[in-house]
Amino acid sequence: EVQLVESGGGLVHPGGSLRLSCVASGFTFTTYAINWVRQAPGKGLDWVSGISSSGENTYYADSVKGRFIISRDNSKNTVYLQLSSLRADDTAVYYCARGRKYGSGPYYVMDVWGRGTTVTVSS
Amino acid sequence: EIVLTQSPATLSLSPGERATLSCRASQSVTNYLAWYQQKPGQAPRLLIYDASNRATGTPARFSGSGSATDFTLTISSLEPEDFAVYYCQQRSNGITFGPGTKVDIK
Repeated sequence: EVQLVESGGGLVHPGGSLRLSCVASGFTFTTYAINWVRQAPGKGLDWVSGISSSGENTYYADSVKGRFIISRDNSKNTVYLQLSSLRADDTAVYYCARGRKYGSGPYYVMDVWGRGTTVTVSS
Repeated sequence: EIVLTQSPATLSLSPGERATLSCRASQSVTNYLAWYQQKPGQAPRLLIYDASNRATGTPARFSGSGSATDFTLTISSLEPEDFAVYYCQQRSNGITFGPGTKVDIK
């Protein structure tokens, strides 16, 4: 079964840090990009970051650039999202999602999603 | 940043009716437009990619059309499990999502 499982969420104070993990199984991890998408309570979807299959290329939304770092360990089928300088508006469910280009295009469609991990930033 | 606008915000329909959802982009995204379905408490699910291609497992009652700046998701006959929120997403220049259209039961 193709699966993505996120972990690492929790309650953190403003200005704090957290590292999220996304473990993949059921597919050839090294041939797919992975993205992180978040959803604040009661709100819509907000793309956060993406990393290419090799890890060579990384992408960030302007709202998190300089504060979040995405990386991957292909030997562990895992993608990480390091969150720093956290703010209240970073509070959300964070989903990891497999990225595909379906043969063309500069960025990704997200065809497989995890169940998400919740990050709450509050004092 | 490419901004996506979805209309209507809410669509109230009965099972068996046809649903027509719109997504408009602030500039051309060629055909790099996807549609997702999200039910309460669940992760989003990819329905349509590149404007009109059904993803694996997407029922035939779902169809997508459009190009450049104007796109439509049509559900030909609503089933009970189709009542959900639908998001469009572009991947032409970065990645952005629309605000969503909620399809609820009339």
